[in-house]
Amino acid sequence: EVQLLESGGGLVQPGGSLRLSCAASGFTFSSSSMNWVRQAPGKGLEWVSFISSSSTTIYYADSVKGRFTISRDNAKNSLYLQMNSLRAEDTAMYYCARTRNFDYWGQGTLLTVSS
Amino acid sequence: DVVMTQSPLSLPVTLGQPASISCRSSQSLVHSDGNTYLNWFQQRPGQSPRRLIYKVSNRDSGVPDRFSGSGSATDFTLEISRVEAEDLGVYYCMQGTHWPLTFGQGTKLEIK
Repeated sequence: EVQLLESGGGLVQPGGSLRLSCAASGFTFSSSSMNWVRQAPGKGLEWVSFISSSSTTIYYADSVKGRFTISRDNAKNSLYLQMNSLRAEDTAMYYCARTRNFDYWGQGTLLTVSS
Repeated sequence: DVVMTQSPLSLPVTLGQPASISCRSSQSLVHSDGNTYLNWFQQRPGQSPRRLIYKVSNRDSGVPDRFSGSGSATDFTLEISRVEAEDLGVYYCMQGTHWPLTFGQGTKLEIK
């Protein structure tokens, strides 16, 4: 069974940093591309970042480019999102999702950016 | 960026009746590999999104056959043949053809 488990969310002050993690199991992680997708409270879904299986291809949404960094450790079956210079508008539930067409999603981890 | 426009944004339906959601893209979603990467997701209240349909019309494993997808190029539809109470939630279309990947605004399916 495919499982994706996000962690690392919390309350951060504006301008702060945080790293999210996504632990994968039930499939060959090293063969799968991965994404981060977010959802602000009461709002729709927004794609944030993509990383290919070998980390050779990476994309970001314009809203996070230069502030967020996606990475993965295939030996640990883990996906990460390093978030710097956080803003109030980054407040959202953050999901990891498998492949470019989001076939599996985690349960999400909540980031709140507030003073 | 490809803009995905869903309609309606709110859809009150009677249980047992059909429902239909439209999704239009601002440019063709036909990829250079010949596939059309248009997907549909369901998000029930308090839950993560779940993919229902991929590449326009392919149902994911475990998705009831009352859900069907159709369309081509820029015009797509999700249909539910007979709505059940468990179908309540928000439905999103999403294109996986062009970067950045983009979602529609969501359609809230409400039971009358």
